[in-house]
Amino acid sequence: AQSVAQPEDQVNVAEGNPLTVKCTYSVSGNPYLFWYVQYPNRGLQFLLKYITGDNLVKGSYGFEAEFNKSQTSFHLKKPSALVSDSALYFCAVREGGNHQTGANNLFFGTGTRLTVIP
Amino acid sequence: DARVTQTPRHKVTEMGQEVTMRCQPILGHNTVFWYRQTMMQGLELLAYFRNRAPLDDSGMPKDRFSAEMPDATLATLKIQPSEPRDSAVYFCASGQGTGPAGYTFGSGTRLTVV
Repeated sequence: AQSVAQPEDQVNVAEGNPLTVKCTYSVSGNPYLFWYVQYPNRGLQFLLKYITGDNLVKGSYGFEAEFNKSQTSFHLKKPSALVSDSALYFCAVREGGNHQTGANNLFFGTGTRLTVIP
Repeated sequence: DARVTQTPRHKVTEMGQEVTMRCQPILGHNTVFWYRQTMMQGLELLAYFRNRAPLDDSGMPKDRFSAEMPDATLATLKIQPSEPRDSAVYFCASGQGTGPAGYTFGSGTRLTVV
């Protein structure tokens, strides 16, 4: 079974400080890992993904995430937070591979609300 | 940029009425998902299709919900009869199901059942 845990409902950080939003996952095979951001009254926007290769993945708006297989984690990071980064962040996982049938959907975490304080 | 289009953006209806939500996936995407977002439950997968065929609708209350893809450019989610507990934001997403890319989400339909 696949699952995602985002242990923090809320993260507050001061503008200009580094931010981390945590995510751990469970999947039976190789994971495909994703981060999405949701601004108020909007749909989810894709930020970045890990499929294979370098464990440090760079994405949109200066965000990056580090895949750690031993800790089954995929934490989202940014060196310097902006007020405009305040939003709801979702981590998601699905099992990698070439599935022609069967479950290939994204499992989402419950989301972490990031507030960047000016 | 290619986008997933959902209509209507907002819907207010009375309990017992039929509600139909529509989604136009990105051209060429072969996988379409319906998610429901509420404060209490977060994002829940309701159903998804690949090549227009339903693959999993186990997350959907079968007695009142139905999801279809009459053609490759249209996915529908119907609720009949609607209930106040159905109030939520319903998202459609599309992608290439067997590929590694992330899925693209629509802006959602905010449904309020009074």
